[in-house]
Amino acid sequence: GAVVSQHPSRVICKSGTSVKIECRSLDFQATTMFWYRQFPKQSLMLMATSNEGSKATYEQGVEKDKFLINHASLTLSTLTVTSAHPEDSSFYICSAGENIQYFGAGTRLSVL
Amino acid sequence: GENVEQHPSTLSVQEGDSAVIKCTYSDSASNYFPWYKQELGKRPQLIIDIRSNVGEKKDQRIAVTLNKTAKHFSLHITETQPEDSAVYFCAAWGDTGRRALTFGSGTRLQVQP
Repeated sequence: GAVVSQHPSRVICKSGTSVKIECRSLDFQATTMFWYRQFPKQSLMLMATSNEGSKATYEQGVEKDKFLINHASLTLSTLTVTSAHPEDSSFYICSAGENIQYFGAGTRLSVL
Repeated sequence: GENVEQHPSTLSVQEGDSAVIKCTYSDSASNYFPWYKQELGKRPQLIIDIRSNVGEKKDQRIAVTLNKTAKHFSLHITETQPEDSAVYFCAAWGDTGRRALTFGSGTRLQVQP
């Protein structure tokens, strides 16, 4: 199947810093990518839809100024968690594809 | 928007038994229903999917059934093995409005040797 690469796999940062997570589609072009957040023992919750060349579409309750999304090319979307706080600690995971979604390996963010 | 409900939240079976996980969805426009298996700390892995023009699909020990009228779909795993132990998520893809996957809450399957 198609491959989606996500980096970094693990981030530990201090409160107040910003963290950038990259999501790449390695063998196909993705005009749309999706960003999810998953808390322990919970489901994947869609945060936003990343659209190549245009603004991301955020789900209700997700702060667009806190979770900045950039989708500048057909193979790369980035999620930046700005001014991270301990409550932002979670597993962030991206996906790409038409109907069939291929997931990145996820990024475990720990904010101290 | 779409709402997907999944049951049960936990399921424990003996090795060799069958396991069934059920999901319902709310948006009649949804037309694609995948099932994912997720092991602890790993990415979700697609194990089987079904489209709205099909009622049943099977892949070795795994099968999925879809009832569009009732808006529910189910995952069936036969001859379960300890390595089937994981969290399973159903999802529905809407093709109108928000074109994205909505996930169920997950089922933790434990296969006892």
